[in-house]
Amino acid sequence: AQKVTQAQTEISVVEKEDVTLDCVYETRDTTYYLFWYKQPPSGELVFLIRRNSFDEQNEISGRYSWNFQKSTSSFNFTITASQVVDSAVYFCALAGSGGSNYKLTFGKGTLLTVNP
Amino acid sequence: DTGVSQDPRHKITKRGQNVTFRCDPISEHNRLYWYRQTLGQGPEFLTYFQNEAQLEKSRLLSDRFSAERPKGSFSTLEIQRTEQGDSAMYLCASTDEIDEQFFGPGTRLTVL
Repeated sequence: AQKVTQAQTEISVVEKEDVTLDCVYETRDTTYYLFWYKQPPSGELVFLIRRNSFDEQNEISGRYSWNFQKSTSSFNFTITASQVVDSAVYFCALAGSGGSNYKLTFGKGTLLTVNP
Repeated sequence: DTGVSQDPRHKITKRGQNVTFRCDPISEHNRLYWYRQTLGQGPEFLTYFQNEAQLEKSRLLSDRFSAERPKGSFSTLEIQRTEQGDSAMYLCASTDEIDEQFFGPGTRLTVL
């Protein structure tokens, strides 16, 4: 069985602060994929990133960066210099290769509020 | 390409009624997924199609739920004899390979 845990239910920061959203996962698959999605108040899920289990390189995209550590089964997401527009619910998700259907298992999400 | 579309966006129904939702995936995508999201939770997998074949159904999908993708293009999700516990956002997603799953805007169902 697959599981994704996002221990932080809500985080509140002031604009320009850095913030890290934690994600811990469990899977028995040797090949798997990790994702982050953003869900703004409008409700539509917006894809942010996908990582393969065999690629542990960290990634940076503008103010966003991701730290993938297989040893601790974690895939954390950092927003640098947060902005009010970053306010949303952020979901970490896992897709295993078992069965080849690649369905996503989501965490419960972290509500990020960035205050001006 | 207009992305994944879902219809209707909102549905209010009385307990015991049947409802049907439609999802139009991105045209070249052969994989289609249905998820359900309740308040304060992440989306949960319901069912998966590859082309017209329904290859997996979650245990969440009781026998009151049925999904089809008749020609490998659009998909429908029907809920019979709705219950208040069915109130949720129903999300559809499509992809061609293990890549970004593109999500539609969802259908919000309220069962009174």
